[in-house]
Amino acid sequence: AQSVSQHNHHVILSEAASLELGCNYSYGGTVNLFWYVQYPGQHLQLLLKYFSGDPLVKGIKGFEAEFIKSKFSFNLRKPSVQWSDTAEYFCAVSSYNQGGKLIFGQGTELSVKP
Amino acid sequence: DTAVSQTPKYLVTQMGNDKSIKCEQNLGHDTMYWYKQDSKKFLKIMFSYNNKELIINETVPNRFSPKSPDKAHLNLHINSLELGDSAVYFCASSQEAGAVDEQYFGPGTRLTVT
Repeated sequence: AQSVSQHNHHVILSEAASLELGCNYSYGGTVNLFWYVQYPGQHLQLLLKYFSGDPLVKGIKGFEAEFIKSKFSFNLRKPSVQWSDTAEYFCAVSSYNQGGKLIFGQGTELSVKP
Repeated sequence: DTAVSQTPKYLVTQMGNDKSIKCEQNLGHDTMYWYKQDSKKFLKIMFSYNNKELIINETVPNRFSPKSPDKAHLNLHINSLELGDSAVYFCASSQEAGAVDEQYFGPGTRLTVT
């Protein structure tokens, strides 16, 4: 069965620090990969997605992620975080034979100190 | 205009009651989903409908019954509520049932069973 693992449960950074959140998935077939963000009290919003092509994808608000197929990883990065990036971050995968359902990781809570 | 809306936003009820949560999307999408987010913020798919037809039914107790009167609406009815049903329930939609499309999430319904 598919699964997604996010390595960090809670990350605390100061403003301007660089961010990398780890995400690994287990599935042998073709997958599509997503990062969603959930700001406090709000719904999930898509940060970025990878379907095919360039493994380095850029999303909104300066976020990017790199798909490394050999490592089954899709890590999220941002060179300089802001206080407004404080949120819960979810990595998710979907595959073509699973009816479009998203399998989510456990989430990583990011706290950015001003 | 809100793309995916849910009502109510908060729902507090007692064990044994029956309650419904409504979801509507105005994006013209064919596919809608229900996800459950538990107290640890873990998100899990419950159901998916494509053009009013059930396509995903994860191992959810049969006390939960989704209903899709048309492709713009997917309601969730829960019978005989239990303490463990307390969670945030998110509705989502996507253009197609496949794995390629981004899913758009509603604001969530926080259900508290006492």
